[in-house]
Amino acid sequence: AQSVTQLGSHVSVSEGALVLLRCNYSSSVPPYLFWYVQYPNQGLQLLLKYTSAATLVKGINGFEAEFKKSETSFHLTKPSAHMSDAAEYFCAVSDLTQGGSEKLVFGKGTKLTVNP
Amino acid sequence: ETGVTQTPRHLVMGMTNKKSLKCEQHLGHNAMYWYKQSAKKPLELMFVYNFKEQTENNSVPSRFSPECPNSSHLFLHLHTLQPEDSALYLCASSQDRGDSPLHFGNGTRLTVT
Repeated sequence: AQSVTQLGSHVSVSEGALVLLRCNYSSSVPPYLFWYVQYPNQGLQLLLKYTSAATLVKGINGFEAEFKKSETSFHLTKPSAHMSDAAEYFCAVSDLTQGGSEKLVFGKGTKLTVNP
Repeated sequence: ETGVTQTPRHLVMGMTNKKSLKCEQHLGHNAMYWYKQSAKKPLELMFVYNFKEQTENNSVPSRFSPECPNSSHLFLHLHTLQPEDSALYLCASSQDRGDSPLHFGNGTRLTVT
């Protein structure tokens, strides 16, 4: 089964500072990887996805992530944090259900705090 | 408008009640999902349906009963729940391809008293 590990349940940065959220994956096949963001009292919103077309993936709101096979990592970055980036971020990997459908397996999430 | 609509947004129910959560997707997807999100726990996949057929039941207690009458609608019927079932229940849909992301609704916040 595929899995992801997010290092750090809480990350705190200053406004304007670099954001780095870490994700490592475990997969027996070339993975499809995703980053989602969740704001309070809302569902999960897709930030970006890796589907093997390019190792550096750009997403919404200025976020990007780099797929590194040698490190089994898919870390999320943003050069300059904004107050509106405060939210919880989830890394996910695609896997198969018992019946052969696709599903996503999520990490435990990283809560990002942005300080003024 | 997220494309996936969940109702109600909030639900408070006693342990002896019967209630249902509803999810509707307007994206033309063929797969639908129920996830449970509890405090301090990772997102737990509960059920997956593909073209109305259940393809995953992740050892969910029988007090949770899913129903998928068509590819656009998904229900979660609840009965005799426990306080530990209080959580945010998220519905999602997708094209059922590995590179296809899940699209989530805003969830139903369930409190069992």
